[in-house]
Amino acid sequence: DQQVKQNSPSLSVQEGRISILNCDYTNSMFDYFLWYKKYPAEGPTFLISISSIKDKNEDGRFTVFLNKSAKHLSLHIVPSQPGDSAVYFCAAIPTVSGGYQKVTFGTGTKLQVIP
Amino acid sequence: KAGVTQTPRYLIKTRGQQVTLSCSPISGHRSVSWYQQTPGQGLQFLFEYFSETQRNKGNFPGRFSGRQFSNSRSEMNVSTLELGDSALYLCASSLAINTEAFFGQGTRLTVV
Repeated sequence: DQQVKQNSPSLSVQEGRISILNCDYTNSMFDYFLWYKKYPAEGPTFLISISSIKDKNEDGRFTVFLNKSAKHLSLHIVPSQPGDSAVYFCAAIPTVSGGYQKVTFGTGTKLQVIP
Repeated sequence: KAGVTQTPRYLIKTRGQQVTLSCSPISGHRSVSWYQQTPGQGLQFLFEYFSETQRNKGNFPGRFSGRQFSNSRSEMNVSTLELGDSALYLCASSLAINTEAFFGQGTRLTVV
C-alpha cells in the first residue's frame, strides 16, 4: 500500500524553464511534508519542507505547494538548472507523539534538466 | 558537525550469508531509521529506533533485524541473504518529531 505516490518516474525540462514535480498521498494523518534530492551513489539530502498549516513554502528557486483537500503537493523549481538533475523524493510524516517519527517516502521522480 | 556515517560503503556477499551494516547518526540525534532503495521501488522503510527501542517496523521479513546502542549508533543485520536483497541501504537520523531526517551515503550491498 503506497501511501505516498509520485506518479511520474521521470521528467525532462529545458534549462531556465520551470520544473514541477508532483506527489499525492492517501493518509490524512500526514501533516508534515518534505522533499529530498538524491544524486547517484549518495544519500538523499533534504531540500525543503512544509507543514500542513501552510499551503506554500519558498526557499530560493524552490517552492513547495500543499493542497490538503486534494492530498497533493508539488515542488516547483524556477529556473531549472542542469545541476538540479537528480532523483527527487517527496516524504510525509504523520501526527505522532512520543518523540519519534516515521517518514514515508514516495518512489521518486528522476528530473533531467537539459542545457 | 559530522553527518551520518554508514559503513561499509560497498559490500559483496553470496547467497545464504549474513551481513551487518553500521550507522553512526549525527551527534545528538536519537532517532535512527533504515531504508532499502531498489530501482523502481523508491525508499522502502525497514525500521526505526529511538533510545535503543524499535519504534516502527516496515513490511520486511524477519531476516532483517536491527538494534540501537546507548550512543545511538545502529546496526542492521540481514541473515540468509537472497539475490533480491541487493540494494542500497540508507540510514537516516533525526533530532525529534516533525524534523527532517539526515541521510548517510548508504551501503551498496550486492548479493551474488
